[in-house]
Amino acid sequence: GENVEQHPSTLSVQEGDSAVIKCTYSDSASNYFPWYKQELGKGPQLIIDIRSNVGEKKDQRIAVTLNKTAKHFSLHITETQPEDSAVYFCAALYSGNTPLVFGKGTRLSVIA
Amino acid sequence: DARVTQTPRDKVTEMGQEVTMRCQPILGHNTVFWYRQTMMQGLELLAYFRNRAPLDDSGMPKDRFSAEMPDATLATLKIQPSEPRDSAVYFCASGRDSSGETQYFGPGTRLLVL
Repeated sequence: GENVEQHPSTLSVQEGDSAVIKCTYSDSASNYFPWYKQELGKGPQLIIDIRSNVGEKKDQRIAVTLNKTAKHFSLHITETQPEDSAVYFCAALYSGNTPLVFGKGTRLSVIA
Repeated sequence: DARVTQTPRDKVTEMGQEVTMRCQPILGHNTVFWYRQTMMQGLELLAYFRNRAPLDDSGMPKDRFSAEMPDATLATLKIQPSEPRDSAVYFCASGRDSSGETQYFGPGTRLLVL
């Protein structure tokens, strides 16, 4: 089955700097890669996603890149702000009839 | 603003007691997931349903956990008997795609078993 590895597990950055979180997946047939943000005391919420026919997608300060050959995808947050502090989860969906497989999460702290 | 709701938000109970957690998926969503979140294990998928039928509950300890969908507006996760190691946050999520892509998470039930 699909396996998703996520790194780093914790990340601290200064406000205004960029943050990058990386994930690798095992199943080359995976075709959908969402990122979820979980704020303290809340459930994860989808913030951006990318499909296997696209190499990069951007939404304001966040962007996701996908390298299908290397089977990895990354979340990039630019000009980080304190409200970006949260746990971020990557996930991958195999094209079969199976649910999302989540990474273990990255705790991002943005230091003002 | 449609949301997944979960009750209770917090539950403290003693070892051996029965715990029932409830989830109301977003109206029209046909897929429901139950996850457990701990510091050590991240998000663990316990079970999921599509059109109220259980598709996979292999992530769930069968001897004490059970998950059901009595109707399209209610999903339940039951633990009997509860143990301290069950202490965690339990999330329900729902989705409208048969492919299981976008999942909408509820706020979670924080369970503490003493």
